[in-house]
Amino acid sequence: GEDVEQSLFLSVREGDSSVINCTYTDSSSTYLYWYKQEPGAGLQLLTYIFSNMDMKQDQRLTVLLNKKDKHLSLRIADTQTGDSAIYFCAAGYQKVTFGTGTKLQVIP
Amino acid sequence: DTAVSQTPKYLVTQMGNDKSIKCEQNLGHDTMYWYKQDSKKFLKIMFSYNNKELIINETVPNRFSPKSPDKAHLNLHINSLELGDSAVYFCASSQVGGESETQYFGPGTRLLVL
Repeated sequence: GEDVEQSLFLSVREGDSSVINCTYTDSSSTYLYWYKQEPGAGLQLLTYIFSNMDMKQDQRLTVLLNKKDKHLSLRIADTQTGDSAIYFCAAGYQKVTFGTGTKLQVIP
Repeated sequence: DTAVSQTPKYLVTQMGNDKSIKCEQNLGHDTMYWYKQDSKKFLKIMFSYNNKELIINETVPNRFSPKSPDKAHLNLHINSLELGDSAVYFCASSQVGGESETQYFGPGTRLLVL
């Protein structure tokens, strides 16, 4: 089955860019997703990328997909304190596998 | 309007009890899921139903029994609760064949077994 890995923790200063990385194993994953979970809340979809795309930009968010290396990244430009949360990478089709989550800490 | 709702939000109970968690979605989706998130925030799928039929059943103790009375509802019944069942349980829904097949999550049910 699919295996999705992320680093557990990232700390950045307010105003800097954050880059959260993710690797996955199943090259047939049709969609790859980034979800955000704030404390005490459910998961909220941030963005997704279709497997035939290399990049997707949505305001401050940029997703890069390297299919050869099965590597996905999420870049948040001008990181704000409100971006502090856990970010989950997810991959799959119907049965979606979630990564371990990366806790982003934004230092004012 | 809440897209995916769960009740209760918090559940504190004694070991050995039986409890149910309810989930409803008003998005018109045909697929619903139950996930378990442990204290380390790891998220694992437990079950998935498509149009009231079970399509994903991960390795979950048979004390956990999902029920889908219609495609807008997916309930989770847990028998003989154990300490290790303490976690946050999330319901989600998606539309198979829909745009990106994105899963929409409920707010979670925080279960504490004493």
